[in-house]
Amino acid sequence: EAQVTQNPRYLITVTGKKLTVTCSQNMNHEYMSWYRQDPGLGLRQIYYSMNVEVTDKGDVPEGYKVSRKEKRNFPLILESPSPNQTSLYFCASSPLGGGADTQYFGPGTRLTVL
Amino acid sequence: AQSVTQPDIHITVSEGASLELRCNYSYGATPYLFWYVQSPGQGLQLLLKYFSGDTLVQGIKGFEAEFKRSQSSFNLRKPSVHWSDAAEYFCAVGRRVGYGNKLVFGAGTILRVKS
Repeated sequence: EAQVTQNPRYLITVTGKKLTVTCSQNMNHEYMSWYRQDPGLGLRQIYYSMNVEVTDKGDVPEGYKVSRKEKRNFPLILESPSPNQTSLYFCASSPLGGGADTQYFGPGTRLTVL
Repeated sequence: AQSVTQPDIHITVSEGASLELRCNYSYGATPYLFWYVQSPGQGLQLLLKYFSGDTLVQGIKGFEAEFKRSQSSFNLRKPSVHWSDAAEYFCAVGRRVGYGNKLVFGAGTILRVKS
């Protein structure tokens, strides 16, 4: 089944403890992206990647890192999480990354930082 | 900068009634427009999208949307709502930024369906 998977689905952590949220897609898509969803704000893009080793900032990149060493994986790293990073996170992928491309979303990761 | 406005935070409709969710965008060129739906505890699923051509677009689950350039709108409609349509709906504008892609989302509209 074609899909985007994320792990973990739920995570509670404490301020300053490094964490990684994994994202993997099995559709051979070039483009991958991370969003965070907050009430009343919709989804905002954190980082995106057009291909292996090619990443760039979205609208809200502060406090996050990403890497794209393999085409299928695009992990999101929080080196020192803070409470304002408590949010619902979505990974997405699309075939080529053009503005017209449909993005396919993972199920989401709900992160709570205490 | 482009933006997307969904004026209604919550909408409640009776099962079987018609539905219209509003979306207005701000963008200089012809945008790529999307409607996504998020069911409780789920990721986002594409309902429909508009790139060019016929301004009335048909999507999945009986939804349609109409692009009106003069009003900068892309409203989502359904003639008869089912209880399973209760979800949050997001309008989005997609465009190329440098060598990347960007989806700009509205804040979402939560649809409640009463029986």
